[in-house]
Amino acid sequence: EVQLVQSGAEVKKPGESLKISCKGSGYTFTSYWVGWVRQMPGKGLEWMGIIYPGDSDTRYSPSFQGQVTISADRSISTAYLQWSSLKASDTALYYCARLHWRSLHFDYWGQGTLVTVSS
Amino acid sequence: DIVMTQIPLSSPVTLGQPASISCRSSQSLVHSDGNTYLSWLQQRPGQPPRLLIYKISNRFSGVPDRFSGSGAGTDFTLKISRVEAEDVGVYYCMQATQFPHSFGGGTKVEIK
Repeated sequence: EVQLVQSGAEVKKPGESLKISCKGSGYTFTSYWVGWVRQMPGKGLEWMGIIYPGDSDTRYSPSFQGQVTISADRSISTAYLQWSSLKASDTALYYCARLHWRSLHFDYWGQGTLVTVSS
Repeated sequence: DIVMTQIPLSSPVTLGQPASISCRSSQSLVHSDGNTYLSWLQQRPGQPPRLLIYKISNRFSGVPDRFSGSGAGTDFTLKISRVEAEDVGVYYCMQATQFPHSFGGGTKVEIK
């Protein structure tokens, strides 16, 4: 069974760093892109970026380029999303999702990680 | 970058009646390989998004056949033939033809 399991909710202060994770199982982790999607409170889905764990090829939305870093550790089938200096505006629910290699759709989703940034 | 626009923003529907959601892209979604990578997702309240349709019209595993997708080029439609209570939520189109991929703004389906 394909699963993406994300790390738990985080509460941070502005300026702090953070790294959240997404662990894949039930499939060959290195053969599928893993994307990250932001959902701010009461808002829609925003495509942030994506990584191919097989060779670490990473693409970002211009809106998020330079604001976050996406990485992956093939040895533990885990993708990451990290911030070096959080802002209050980073408060959101973050989802990871697997991109099917042939039909390029997000077929499996993580449960989401709520990040709250508040002083 | 490709911008995805959905209409309407909200669609109040009577149970058992059809619903239709439109999605338009700012440029053609036909990939150089000939495929069109347009998918539809459903997000029920408090839940992660769930894939319904991929490559315009292919239903994902387990998706009821009351959901159907159509369209070509820059104009796409998701139809629900007879809305049921469990269909309440927000529906998103998404393009994966070109990086960066992008979502439409969402259409909320609610019961009248």
